[in-house]
Amino acid sequence: EPEVTQTPSHQVTQMGQEVILRCVPISNHLYFYWYRQILGQKVEFLVSFYNNEISEKSEIFDDQFSVERPDGSNFTLKIRSTKLEDSAMYFCASHGTANTEAFFGQGTRLTVV
Amino acid sequence: QKEVEQNSGPLSVPEGAIASLNCTYSDRGSQSFFWYRQYSGKSPELIMSIYSNGDKEDGRFTAQLNKASQYVSLLIRDSQPSDSATYLCAVRGNTGFQKLVFGTGTRLLVSP
Repeated sequence: EPEVTQTPSHQVTQMGQEVILRCVPISNHLYFYWYRQILGQKVEFLVSFYNNEISEKSEIFDDQFSVERPDGSNFTLKIRSTKLEDSAMYFCASHGTANTEAFFGQGTRLTVV
Repeated sequence: QKEVEQNSGPLSVPEGAIASLNCTYSDRGSQSFFWYRQYSGKSPELIMSIYSNGDKEDGRFTAQLNKASQYVSLLIRDSQPSDSATYLCAVRGNTGFQKLVFGTGTRLLVSP
């Protein structure tokens, strides 16, 4: 069964460093997302990406964040200068046509020290 | 601010009982509703989707939607200890944007 794949599963980084989180969405999907979940809190929307551009972003998704779809399969989230408060689980999700079910990857646990 | 509200629980039920999980949402124009299951430290796993008023059944799970009351629920029949998890309600709005807005989740504990 097709699935969303994320790497790495766990990333530890020093404050101020850049990190890139990687995702391979399900192959025929068109809508791509990044969400995050701080420990003990709800899943929060960061950014959506459709037709090779950002379609919506949240207040969390400031200038330190960027997304790319560098080729036909990968979808990346870059945090330029990490802060302690960026520590969270980051989930990639995708779905096919509009209003269909979104499927989540297994997540990347980012720890900023 | 579009909100999705859930009782955080825990909701404790004995094995074999029916678990009833509830969710309300504030955006009256919401079109799509989803229930995800999340085990501790894991990612959300899609359980059910529902798009129109009424009931939708899939195995032991039934989702119920009442748009007039802005209310969506999930019933789990014959609850099993393996159903113990946090259940997330997620709502998608009626604009062209497709993001999901999540509730905080209800923690379900099924005791043997």
